[in-house]
Amino acid sequence: EAGVAQSPRYKIIEKRQSVAFWCNPISGHATLYWYQQILGQGPKLLIQFQNNGVVDDSQLPKDRFSAERLKGVDSTLKIQPAKLEDSAVYLCASSLDSGRYNEQFFGPGTRLTVL
Amino acid sequence: GDSVTQMEGPVTLSEEAFLTINCTYTATGYPSLFWYVQYPGEGLQLLLKATKADDKGSNKGFEATYRKETTSFHLEKGSVQVSDSAVYFCALTGANSKLTFGKGITLSVRP
Repeated sequence: EAGVAQSPRYKIIEKRQSVAFWCNPISGHATLYWYQQILGQGPKLLIQFQNNGVVDDSQLPKDRFSAERLKGVDSTLKIQPAKLEDSAVYLCASSLDSGRYNEQFFGPGTRLTVL
Repeated sequence: GDSVTQMEGPVTLSEEAFLTINCTYTATGYPSLFWYVQYPGEGLQLLLKATKADDKGSNKGFEATYRKETTSFHLEKGSVQVSDSAVYFCALTGANSKLTFGKGITLSVRP
């Protein structure tokens, strides 16, 4: 079974530029998550989708971050404009459903460096 | 809100040493508890889990017991190997089903 795919793996941009990350979840997984992992910290949930609807985006800085999940499969996360403090690893995860006992499967992440 | 506290790292051990990584949590109700591992260059993987008090999760020689009285979920392994070198995260899902992580701890095992 293929895992969660993410691209690109690495991205370096200058502040005020824009960037987009792509995620392809495990086939059949209804729930998709984007996390931000700053160096030395645990992942922090940015947004959760159930199929193509947003369940939780309370931690998403909506003035600069946006995410979509068209057709309930692939998802993109965008940052515009980027700030220095956005340097982090962005993780995508998926699960069969959103219940607390559903295991989340993580992709390899995209490491973003903002200069 | 929910939170997870892990012991400060990093931890360096010799091969075959005994490992304990402490984890305590704060949550309302009865959370599910997890240990995730991140090997170099790879994504987070679920190592083990426990969903109710006194449950013991185990996998790959690692164990952790859900202790509600001490709100703890310490990770243990009797004999570590070089291949266990990784970053270990303690996490929980509470009433809102949101996965909350600790800061993680880096384990290095010397041959």
